[in-house]
Amino acid sequence: GEDVEQSLFLSVREGDSSVINCTYTDSSSTYLYWYKQEPGAGLQLLTYIFSNMDMKQDQRLTVLLNKKDKHLSLRIADTQTGDSAIYFCAGGLSGYNKLIFGAGTRLAVHP
Amino acid sequence: DTGVSQDPRHKITKRGQNVTFRCDPISEHNRLYWYRQTLGQGPEFLTYFQNEAQLEKSRLLSDRFSAERPKGSFSTLEIQRTEQGDSAMYLCASSPNRGPAYNEQFFGPGTRLTVL
Repeated sequence: GEDVEQSLFLSVREGDSSVINCTYTDSSSTYLYWYKQEPGAGLQLLTYIFSNMDMKQDQRLTVLLNKKDKHLSLRIADTQTGDSAIYFCAGGLSGYNKLIFGAGTRLAVHP
Repeated sequence: DTGVSQDPRHKITKRGQNVTFRCDPISEHNRLYWYRQTLGQGPEFLTYFQNEAQLEKSRLLSDRFSAERPKGSFSTLEIQRTEQGDSAMYLCASSPNRGPAYNEQFFGPGTRLTVL
C-alpha cells in the first residue's frame, strides 16, 4: 500500500524560506496535498497538486512534484512565526476517498 | 458556512466505558470521513460515508467501533469497551460531491479522547 515519509523537524529563521520534503511510494496517487496543523487544532488544507503537474504556486507557497523520484516539496517564502506548525503531506486517488498521510514535519520559526 | 464541527472537543473516560462522538459536516457536503490521529503521527483513515451509506471501512476499525450517518447529514462514531490504546484525536472531514472542491477534504477540529 501507500507509504508517505517526511522528515520530522525543520528549524528556520524568520524571513528565510522553508522547504519541507515528502516522498511517497504509490505512483498511482492522483492528488498530493499539503495540510497544516497548529497545536490542538484540526488540519487546514494549504494547497494540493494534480499528479500531471510539476509545480504549483499560491502566494508564498510553491509545491514541486518530481514524479520520477516520487518526491514532493513545499516551499514557504518569507517564513513568519505564524507558520510554526506541523505540516503533513498526503496522497489520494481521484474519486477514491482515503487520504494517506505522512507523519508530519514540525516547522519551528525563530527570530 | 461554519465549517466542520465536532463534539465534544475533549473526552476523558475510564477503560471499559463506551463513548460516542458527533461530527457535523459542512452543509451540503455529502461525503464524510473519519480519521484517527495518535501522538506524533499523521491521521489514519477509519471510514467513509457517501450520504447515509458507509462505503469503506479500514481494518483499523475493529468490532468495538461503529460509525453511522443515519440521515446523510451528521455522523456519530461510537467506541465500545474503550481501551487505553484508543486514546487519540478523532478527526472528521467532509467533501462536496461535485464542483471545484471535489478533491478537497475539509477537517473539523477533532475530538481528543483520553482513556484512563
